[in-house]
Amino acid sequence: SAVISQKPSRDICQRGTSLTIQCQVDSQVTMMFWYRQQPGQSLTLIATANQGSEATYESGFVIDKFPISRPNLTFSTLTVSNMSPEDSSIYLCSVQGQVEAFFGQGTRLTVV
Amino acid sequence: GIQVEQSPPDLILQEGANSTLRCNFSDSVNNLQWFHQNPWGQLINLFYIPSGTKQNGRLSATTVATERYSLLYISSSQTTDSGVYFCAVVSAGGTSYGKLTFGQGTILTVHP
Repeated sequence: SAVISQKPSRDICQRGTSLTIQCQVDSQVTMMFWYRQQPGQSLTLIATANQGSEATYESGFVIDKFPISRPNLTFSTLTVSNMSPEDSSIYLCSVQGQVEAFFGQGTRLTVV
Repeated sequence: GIQVEQSPPDLILQEGANSTLRCNFSDSVNNLQWFHQNPWGQLINLFYIPSGTKQNGRLSATTVATERYSLLYISSSQTTDSGVYFCAVVSAGGTSYGKLTFGQGTILTVHP
């Protein structure tokens, strides 16, 4: 199994500002994934972060709004830029283990 | 893309009761997982079960891949079982490695 440390665990931010979320894995992984869970909704994949190349974004998500860094095989960051109240969500990072996926504890973001 | 449907959307039980949650998916899958999301938003891995049957204590799961459905059984439910249960799959399509598609979840409430 993989142990994933995600921080911050929660934050309250002013609209128009940006927040960077960090995700640290205890082992080297090729791909890391970022998901968003809007209030009362299911999880939706934002992007796939590969080390050494640009992230691949899913339909409806763009790099200017959600820039991602992947400097090495154990770490990634997701930035939520120019935030609005609609960005209030839980953001989770995930890795694919040998067979199953594992998730960090999530970042609960509230934009006021 | 692949569609995942979970039923029922909500389930209310008395402590000690048994329940069955269902997950239907629209295409072949390489990965199927069941998760429990606790009140703090963390996703807990319950089962990795793309096919067959597994049991872990009071929980068990069965996936019939040829008929594209999976069932999660909870026996002798406890109040701590409350939360949201998600089914998530990875499509067998070539570009989907590690990308989980989630169902809408089943909200389980267990009363003492």
